[in-house]
Amino acid sequence: GNSVTQMEGPVTLSEEAFLTINCTYTATGYPSLFWYVQYPGEGLQLLLKATKADDKGSNKGFEATYRKETTSFHLEKGSVQVSDSAVYFCALLGGTSYGKLTFGQGTILTVHP
Amino acid sequence: DVKVTQSSRYLVKRTGEKVFLECVQDMDHENMFWYRQDPGLGLRLIYFSYDVKMKEKGDIPEGYSVSREKKERFSLILESASTNQTSMYLCASNLDWGGGNTIYFGEGSWLTVV
Repeated sequence: GNSVTQMEGPVTLSEEAFLTINCTYTATGYPSLFWYVQYPGEGLQLLLKATKADDKGSNKGFEATYRKETTSFHLEKGSVQVSDSAVYFCALLGGTSYGKLTFGQGTILTVHP
Repeated sequence: DVKVTQSSRYLVKRTGEKVFLECVQDMDHENMFWYRQDPGLGLRLIYFSYDVKMKEKGDIPEGYSVSREKKERFSLILESASTNQTSMYLCASNLDWGGGNTIYFGEGSWLTVV
């Protein structure tokens, strides 16, 4: 079946630091890949997505590239802000579990001023 | 904007009670989902529905049932709540099975079973 593995957290950074959160996946076929963000006390919001290999998703300064050869979809941001503090989830849709969104375990990011 | 609304944000229930969690979406989406979220485990799919009166088990359906009598509404039912069902429950929906269709989430329902 499908699976998603995220780097373990929590991640603590200073403001303006560079962020990478690693995500790798296992799936057959051609899944779509997503990053969701959850701010404290809220539900999940879509941050960005990529639907085919070599696609780059981007939003709010965050980027991730769908790498089929390394089965990865790492999240990056060049300069984080305190307001980026949240939980980040990598997820995939499709593969062997058509229609079901499979999530990683989530990475807690805390950004200090 | 897509709106997925979970009517109860915070609930406290006693062991053995029957619990209903309600979810409504306003974008005529075909598919609806219930997940639970636990620290260190991410989100796990309980049930999903791809049409009115249709449902499929997810990864952790034990102890839960669902109801979808109308397209916009998807209910999660805990027949006899237990303390290990204390969790955050998230409802979600998306348009159809087309590749890359974004899944939209509600704000979550925090359930505590005592």
